[in-house]
Amino acid sequence: SYVLTQAPSVSVAPGKTARITCGGNNIGSKSVHWYHQKPGQAPVLVIYYDSDRPSGIPERFSGSNSGNTATLTINRVEAGDEADYYCQVWNSGSDHPVFGGGTKLTVL
Amino acid sequence: QITLKESGPTLVKPTQTLTLTCTFSGFSLSTSAVGVGWIRQPPGKALEWLALIYWDDDKRYSPSLQSRLSITKDTSKNQVVLTMTNMDPVDTATYYCAHFLDSSGYPFDYWGQGALVTVSS
Repeated sequence: SYVLTQAPSVSVAPGKTARITCGGNNIGSKSVHWYHQKPGQAPVLVIYYDSDRPSGIPERFSGSNSGNTATLTINRVEAGDEADYYCQVWNSGSDHPVFGGGTKLTVL
Repeated sequence: QITLKESGPTLVKPTQTLTLTCTFSGFSLSTSAVGVGWIRQPPGKALEWLALIYWDDDKRYSPSLQSRLSITKDTSKNQVVLTMTNMDPVDTATYYCAHFLDSSGYPFDYWGQGALVTVSS
């Protein structure tokens, strides 16, 4: 089965840039989606199809995907960005969705 | 506006069967290319996909849980029902249902608020 690997945690100072990565075998050939989840809340889609932003998501959020790594970039990080971030793809061979293990973003 | 809401028991005993209902609005599961999935999250842990059902009644299950899961839809009630047999304390989790489109690699774009299920005797 397809595996997505995320670092457990990332820390960044306010105003700086956070980069959260999602590793997978040839993930660049897949469409990657990113969700953030704040404590006690449901996940919220923040980036879809590698780099598209749903309406209401700030332009500070962007995504890229190439080779074996997809990256969620958050510019000018704010305290309100502190959350768990999950990547997700569809395993095309089995038509199953797969989630990464999640990365906890801490704003220092 | 698409909304989803999970409902079901908050506490089940080991070996019992869990039945959760996802009631949704803003879309119809009789419409081509629409789907609903179930995802769970144990306390403090990651999201885990469980099952999904498509508008045409096609179904997919997590390979690791397939023998215990069943997903059905009631189009007239705008509901999707997930059953999980032989519940165990490790199945304690928040269970979410989510909407997606049956289009190449579409995301789960709308989620319910989640339903916390505790498995304990």
